[in-house]
Amino acid sequence: AQRVTQPEKLLSVFKGAPVELKCNYSYSGSPELFWYVQYSRQRLQLLLRHISRESIKGFTADLNKGETSFHLKKPFAQEEDSAMYYCALLTSGTYKYIFGTGTRLKVLA
Amino acid sequence: KAGVTQTPRYLIKTRGQQVTLSCSPISGHRSVSWYQQTPGQGLQFLFEYFSETQRNKGNFPGRFSGRQFSNSRSEMNVSTLELGDSALYLCASTLTGDYIYEQYFGPGTRLTVT
Repeated sequence: AQRVTQPEKLLSVFKGAPVELKCNYSYSGSPELFWYVQYSRQRLQLLLRHISRESIKGFTADLNKGETSFHLKKPFAQEEDSAMYYCALLTSGTYKYIFGTGTRLKVLA
Repeated sequence: KAGVTQTPRYLIKTRGQQVTLSCSPISGHRSVSWYQQTPGQGLQFLFEYFSETQRNKGNFPGRFSGRQFSNSRSEMNVSTLELGDSALYLCASTLTGDYIYEQYFGPGTRLTVT
């Protein structure tokens, strides 16, 4: 079955510390993976997608097919990074996203 | 360009009633997806429409249905409401038809079933 797992409901880090939000997926096909973010009182929005191999707001994510993971990383957390982060899998040919349950990141001053 | 809009923003219904939620996508977007968001389950996919056709649906009972109009606006309907249907219902629109990429989300409709 296709599944996205985000093992941490809450992750608290201090400002300036590195951040890693974990995402593991289960999918037999070729995955398209995304990170979406929801800041307080804002809409859910795309943060980055693996196919673009880009860095957005200092965040990067590398697809590791061997470990079926797509962890989100940032070397130095900022207070404005505090938000809810969702990892999502797009199953090819189905037009269907599967979201993880989300991780709340709190960056402490 | 106006973002995705959803109406109403809040709804309170009684168990057993039915409800219709509306979603207007970004102008030019032809794909609309619906999700149910709850604290314990996160976002769960309900269905996706493109050019008035449902292309995929999630694992929800038949009480959940939807449709899309020729102007790409979409509605979802929940019949015989249950307490467990209380959730935030999100819709998202996408520009492309052949391959969904970035989804643009609406603010959601908060449904409370009493």
